[in-house]
Amino acid sequence: EFQLVESGGTLVQPGGSLRLSCAASTSIFSSYTMNWVRQAPGKGLEWVSYISRGSDTIYYADSVKGRFTVSRDNARKSLYLQMTSLRAEDTAVYYCASGVTYDSDSFDVWGQGTLVTVSS
Amino acid sequence: QSVLTQPPSVSGAPGQRVTISCTGSSSNIGAGFDVHWYQQLPGTAPKLLIYGNVNRPSGVPDRFSATKSASSASLAITGLQAEDEADYYCQSYDSSLSGRWVFGGGTKLTV
Repeated sequence: EFQLVESGGTLVQPGGSLRLSCAASTSIFSSYTMNWVRQAPGKGLEWVSYISRGSDTIYYADSVKGRFTVSRDNARKSLYLQMTSLRAEDTAVYYCASGVTYDSDSFDVWGQGTLVTVSS
Repeated sequence: QSVLTQPPSVSGAPGQRVTISCTGSSSNIGAGFDVHWYQQLPGTAPKLLIYGNVNRPSGVPDRFSATKSASSASLAITGLQAEDEADYYCQSYDSSLSGRWVFGGGTKLTV
C-alpha cells in the first residue's frame, strides 16, 4: 500500500524559512507525480505545487510562486517543499498528495499532514 | 474566494438525500476538465470520494454519486448516516495562468 508521511512542520517567525519532507512507502515512488496541498486553520483546501516524475515539470500556485520550491529525490523516495519568506497567511496543515490508482488528475493518496505555524 | 463555488453548508436528517453543488467556469469545469470530490472527516486528511466526474473508488458506498454538466457538478448522498457528517470538497483543473488544480471552498454536511 502506498503511504505518505510528512514531516518538518513547526513554528517559524515571519520572514523565516522551513523545509517540509514527505516520505513515500512505495519502491516505485518515481512512477508518480506529486503535489503539495495546504489547509489553513478552519479553511478549505488549496493546491500549492506540482512536480512531475522526473522533476522536469513544476508548477506553483500564485500565492507561493517565487517563495516556495518543490523538489524530489526518487532514490530516497522523498518529496520536499522549501519555503522561504514565510508569511502569517502560510500558516496551514501541509499535505503531500498523489494520484496513484486512477487515470485522472485526482489525488487518491494523501499523507497525514504537517502543521506549519508562522507567527512571532 | 475559491475558483470553484460550493454552498458553505447543507444538512439533512438520517435516511434523507442531500446534494452539494460545485460551480465553475469556462476555464475549468466548463472547459471539460474532470471534477473530483473529497470527504474530509474532522482532524483527518481528505479522502477521494468520486473521481472522473462519476466514478467511485473501491470501498466508497454507492450511496455517494455525482454528476457533471456544463460548468457545474453535483454530489448526491442518499440514505444519510451520522458518519457522513464531514466537509466535502470538489476539485478540478484550471487552464488559466493563476492556478492549476483548484478546489471548491468546501461544504459542511450536518446530519
